[in-house]
Amino acid sequence: DAGVTQSPTHLIKTRGQQVTLRCSPKSGHDTVSWYQQALGQGPQFIFQYYEEEERQRGNFPDRFSGHQFPNYSSELNVNALLLGDSALYLCASSPTGTGGAYEQYFGPGTRLTVT
Amino acid sequence: ILNVEQSPQSLHVQEGDSTNFTCSFPSSNFYALHWYRWETAKSPEALFVMTLNGDEKKKGRISATLNTKEGYSYLYIKGSQPEDSATYLCAQYNFNKFYFGSGTKLNVKP
Repeated sequence: DAGVTQSPTHLIKTRGQQVTLRCSPKSGHDTVSWYQQALGQGPQFIFQYYEEEERQRGNFPDRFSGHQFPNYSSELNVNALLLGDSALYLCASSPTGTGGAYEQYFGPGTRLTVT
Repeated sequence: ILNVEQSPQSLHVQEGDSTNFTCSFPSSNFYALHWYRWETAKSPEALFVMTLNGDEKKKGRISATLNTKEGYSYLYIKGSQPEDSATYLCAQYNFNKFYFGSGTKLNVKP
């Protein structure tokens, strides 16, 4: 079992550009959550996908959008990048229906740098 | 937005010392609390999931307690080892979302 995987590992983008980050959940998990971790802070919840729908959303602007595919993998898209979007983006997966309340597994993250 | 706080922010101890950290969270509408251990360049790893007031959980030298009425959880490490060096995160699950603290960074010197 490969666990939760994310790609790419690192990414450098310019202000105003768009970026797509990818996540494959742990085998048997169908719920994917995305988090942003800025330097010196804890992870902040962006949104959660279940059955290809956004189920919950944190306090992030519409520039942050996502998608979940039939195989449960997910993408996080960020448009019109700002310097403040520089962060580590973590993906987490959890089993059906629990939203992660009792079980959540994290990937290693994608480090995004916006210049 | 729920405010989950962790203290201390960082901790430096000698090998063999026992240590503990605190996670404070809003006590109303409590559902679950997670503790994670996060080593540099690795994925956060789940340590404990706690749901009931008075819960005590143990994994080897690490244990945790939960008080939902007063809104805090303690994580204890007995006889710290250099391999315990990591950031320890707590997260409250509430209103179908996770709210993380900013973590306690533990450094154990040999």
